[in-house]
Amino acid sequence: DTEVTQTPKHLVMGMTNKKSLKCEQHMGHRAMYWYKQKAKKPPELMFVYSYEKLSINESVPSRFSPECPNSSLLNLHLHALQPEDSALYLCASSQPQTGETTYEQYFGPGTRLTVT
Amino acid sequence: GQQLNQSPQSMFIQEGEDVSMNCTSSSIFNTWLWYKQDPGEGPVLLIALYKAGELTSNGRLTAQFGITRKDSFLNISASIPSDVGIYFCAAHPTGANSKLTFGKGITLSVRP
Repeated sequence: DTEVTQTPKHLVMGMTNKKSLKCEQHMGHRAMYWYKQKAKKPPELMFVYSYEKLSINESVPSRFSPECPNSSLLNLHLHALQPEDSALYLCASSQPQTGETTYEQYFGPGTRLTVT
Repeated sequence: GQQLNQSPQSMFIQEGEDVSMNCTSSSIFNTWLWYKQDPGEGPVLLIALYKAGELTSNGRLTAQFGITRKDSFLNISASIPSDVGIYFCAAHPTGANSKLTFGKGITLSVRP
């Protein structure tokens, strides 16, 4: 099973709203990622969690706040977003990068976020 | 920084034709991955390559890890309409905290 699930599928929010994106995987992966993707562009890395600890933050604005409650779940809390934050937000998971572990990342279907 | 070059941006082929896509870099990578993304969906991993010179197939797809470790190609044989989508190459250098680098993607259109 190589499934990563994300909810909601679509989200429309105003600039003063607070919302959260959720991601779940049951592959036993210990690394989880948030990416932002604009139309016809490659995914851009935002955050990486490894063994439930934040290991990479790609200088993302503080209006995006990640959280990893356990090894299967990853959240992205959103507050006071701007219209330019509208994008497809992708979650991915992989095995941590140690020893002979592979580097394959498995992506969820994404949340289409529109900020009005 | 490390970049992966994919070109052209778009490719148009006839159903039944074969197509080849390249991904090149001036940097060395230890892992090459090929993803396909349909509109409104997340990228789906097609093939993963781990050894220089490795040739791997997945159905009608064949990919190779270049011997210099600076490039990879993906071949699709006997294309069908559902092959339409954006094909991204991605690569990973050495280092436990290194990040996956993505190419800009090639949009493939298949004419019936």
